[in-house]
Amino acid sequence: DVKVTQSSRYLVKRTGEKVFLECVQDMDHENMFWYRQDPGLGLRLIYFSYDVKMKEKGDIPEGYSVSREKKERFSLILESASTNQTSMYLCASSFELAVAADTQYFGPGTRLTVL
Amino acid sequence: AQSVTQPDIHITVSEGASLELRCNYSYGATPYLFWYVQSPGQGLQLLLKYFSGDTLVQGIKGFEAEFKRSQSSFNLRKPSVHWSDAAEYFCAVENQAGTALIFGKGTTLSVSS
Repeated sequence: DVKVTQSSRYLVKRTGEKVFLECVQDMDHENMFWYRQDPGLGLRLIYFSYDVKMKEKGDIPEGYSVSREKKERFSLILESASTNQTSMYLCASSFELAVAADTQYFGPGTRLTVL
Repeated sequence: AQSVTQPDIHITVSEGASLELRCNYSYGATPYLFWYVQSPGQGLQLLLKYFSGDTLVQGIKGFEAEFKRSQSSFNLRKPSVHWSDAAEYFCAVENQAGTALIFGKGTTLSVSS
């Protein structure tokens, strides 16, 4: 069974803080993704990574950065959190990068509130 | 640019009744299409996907979807809904590079007894 875990289910931070969201997958998947989920907007891709130390911008990368030092771990970083980054953050992984070739497996999400 | 539209924000269906969730896409070629479900407090789970071939696709949990190129639609159906089907449903299409998914805004399904 593929398992994607996220370090926190709920997180509350203050404006201006540096925030780290961690994601770990246990299936040796090549690709990992960070999405943001907001009511009425669905899921939007922030960044993805197709290999260790490799990253690509998604649709809404502004205000975020990522780090992938090990294959199983993909971190989303908010350098200076702002209230408009209050959201649900979902991590996903897949073996094949081509969407057509493989299913993306999602973690349970981290609900981040920035005060 | 690719896009996905789910016209219904919220649908309520009686338990045992049939269900159809609508999805329309915009894509230049034959798209790869997906339906995901998100149960309360859970991550997204793939229900089914369409790549090519038979336009009627069977998925998990008794769901099916039909690809209709002429209508640019990929509607999700289930003949008899169970209370456990209450969740949020997302339709998705691959992005132009084929490396990620573009999601619709979701349809919330409520099941009444």
